[in-house]
Amino acid sequence: GDQVEQSPSALSLHEGTGSALRCNFTTTMRAVQWFQQNSRGSLINLFYLASGTKENGRLKSTFNSKESYSTLHIRDAQLEDSGTYFCAADRVGDNSKLIWGLGTSLVVNP
Amino acid sequence: DAGVTQTPRHEVAEKGQTIILKCEPVSGHNDLFWYRQTKIQGLELLSYFRSKSLMEDGGAFKDRFKAEMLNSSFSTLKIQPTEPKDSAVYLCASSDWGGYNYAEQFFGPGTRLTVL
Repeated sequence: GDQVEQSPSALSLHEGTGSALRCNFTTTMRAVQWFQQNSRGSLINLFYLASGTKENGRLKSTFNSKESYSTLHIRDAQLEDSGTYFCAADRVGDNSKLIWGLGTSLVVNP
Repeated sequence: DAGVTQTPRHEVAEKGQTIILKCEPVSGHNDLFWYRQTKIQGLELLSYFRSKSLMEDGGAFKDRFKAEMLNSSFSTLKIQPTEPKDSAVYLCASSDWGGYNYAEQFFGPGTRLTVL
């Protein structure tokens, strides 16, 4: 069954606004990565977390293994933030394989 | 430092052809992964190597897909024979597994394969 439930599947923001993306896990994960896939298809690493919260510029991510979720907050959205955002998690006992969410398609409008 | 490189960036094949995709991991990384990405299935793991040893060959993809890693800085993915349903983006990733539970994966730009 599904092990990474990512929401929302699509999101539209105006420049300067913000929102949160979420991944819920149906099994215990030991680390999570967040990626942005840009218009050229490249997967850009945003965050890698084994626990806690990390912040980088206008982005902030949290991973709570006990409560089985991770979030990605975007603030002051810019046009270049448009793309598809994926979370991918490493399942305990699964030998470094990533389990992927289906992605959130983000469009930032002027 | 160079990231993960993949060649070619685009490939068009006729049904039944053999194609070989290439990947060079980040220098010093010892884990290498091949993924396939489609809009319907999302990202699927095809193969996974650790220190050149095949750790996983992706079950359902064993039939016509073969990944090899003859040295620590180069891997190939052969699809033989190709079918139209193989049209997808093929992504290679690497990580520096230092004996801990998990290491961050870094991705190449991908190869977009179209099978006619």
